[in-house]
Amino acid sequence: EIVLTQSPATLSLSPGERATLSCRASQSVRNYLAWYQQKPGQAPRLLIYDASNRATGIPARFSGSGSGTDFTLTISSLEAEDFAIYYCQERNTFGPGTKVDF
Amino acid sequence: QVQLRESGPGLVKSSETLSLTCTVSGGSVTRGSYYWSWIRQPPGKGLEWIGYVYNSGSTKYNPSLKSRVTISIDTSRNQFSLKLNSVTAADTALYYCARDFRGGDSGSYLDYWGQGTLVTVAS
Repeated sequence: EIVLTQSPATLSLSPGERATLSCRASQSVRNYLAWYQQKPGQAPRLLIYDASNRATGIPARFSGSGSGTDFTLTISSLEAEDFAIYYCQERNTFGPGTKVDF
Repeated sequence: QVQLRESGPGLVKSSETLSLTCTVSGGSVTRGSYYWSWIRQPPGKGLEWIGYVYNSGSTKYNPSLKSRVTISIDTSRNQFSLKLNSVTAADTALYYCARDFRGGDSGSYLDYWGQGTLVTVAS
């Protein structure tokens, strides 16, 4: 069973700054990795699928990269609405999440 | 626009069976390459995949829940359902249904989610 590890657990940044979130798999998952954003009281929202493809309607400031075991979600310039928890997912497994806050 | 909506009791007694239904609108559960998943989130914690069903009725479950879970699909009603038996307080969570794409040369991604329904297990 694949285990996903996310780092850091919390990322404290300010609007306008660049956010770099990491997801590491316990074994190769090729490029089969997705990223989600979850805000309080809301369902998760798909941001990125297959490691680097933005989902419909996702702003260009969100980008994903990586393959194999190491993946990155980058938010190029944080906006107020981006402060949330971000999860990575590979098929039937979710990572523990990274909280992006002020 | 695909929409999913969970329904079912918000309170279940310990040792009994949790039953939820997800109604899909704006799209058919029979569409190929799309699986229909349940995910849960205990209060203040992360996401846990419960399992999925395909339009053929085939299923796959989280090994940690497999002995207690049944997911089924009703294509005539465009719905799918979750049953979790012998519940305990540890099963208290927000339960989400979601559409899960699993293509031939692609990973899995959950592109549409319900709003979630909180199920509390009471002793």
